[in-house]
Amino acid sequence: NAGVMQNPRHLVRRRGQEARLRCSPMKGHSHVYWYRQLPEEGLKFMVYLQKENIIDESGMPKERFSAEFPKEGPSILRIQQVVRGDSAAYFCASSPPSRGLPQETQYFGPGTRLLVL
Amino acid sequence: DQQVKQNSPSLSVQEGRISILNCDYTNSMFDYFLWYKKYPAEGPTFLISISSIKDKNEDGRFTVFLNKSAKHLSLHIVPSQPGDSAVYFCAAYSGAGSYQLTFGKGTKLSVIP
Repeated sequence: NAGVMQNPRHLVRRRGQEARLRCSPMKGHSHVYWYRQLPEEGLKFMVYLQKENIIDESGMPKERFSAEFPKEGPSILRIQQVVRGDSAAYFCASSPPSRGLPQETQYFGPGTRLLVL
Repeated sequence: DQQVKQNSPSLSVQEGRISILNCDYTNSMFDYFLWYKKYPAEGPTFLISISSIKDKNEDGRFTVFLNKSAKHLSLHIVPSQPGDSAVYFCAAYSGAGSYQLTFGKGTKLSVIP
C-alpha cells in the first residue's frame, strides 16, 4: 500500500525558471493538500484540492503560484518565475473522502526540496 | 502570529526515560490536535491525535494530554528509544470540517543511548 508519492525529491532552478512539483495521493484518497516549510519553521498550508476542483487556495501567494488536481494523473504545484525566497520544502498530503468524521488525518509525502539559485 | 507554539526547539532524554514534548495554542477555535514525527529529508508521519472532547489519548508508548483551559497539550513517550530521535510537530484543526492544519515550529528530540 504505497503512501503519498512526490517527485522530484530535489529540484534546483535558476531565478526566473519554472518549477513543477508532482504529488500522487494514497490509493483511495481524493483530497490533496500542499504545505510549504521554510527553514526553521513549521509547515504552512497553501492549497486544498479535490479532483478537478480547487477548494481553498487562501494560503497560496496570489502571483506565480498555481495548483491543479486533474481527473487523471497527479496533483501539480507550479511556480512560475521562481525567486530565491521560493527555496523551501514543499509537502503534499492526502486524506480519504470524508466519512462524516470531524477531521480526517492527513498523510504526508516525503516532500520536494526546491533550491533556487 | 504563531497560533501553535512549541517553545522548546530541542530536548535531550536518556534512553528508557520519559520524553515530554509541549505545545501551547492561542486559537480557541482549535478543536482537534495531532502530533507528527519527522525525520530529516522525509515527510511528517502521523503519530497520535486527540479531540477537544477528551483530555487523554493513548497509543502504545505515546500518550497525548490536552488541557483545554490552559490551551496546552503534551506528548509523552515512555520509554524513550533512540529511534524516537526526530523533530516532533504539534498541529491543530479549527472546527468541524476544517482541513487547514496549523503547525508549530517543531521540537527536536534526541534520545541518548
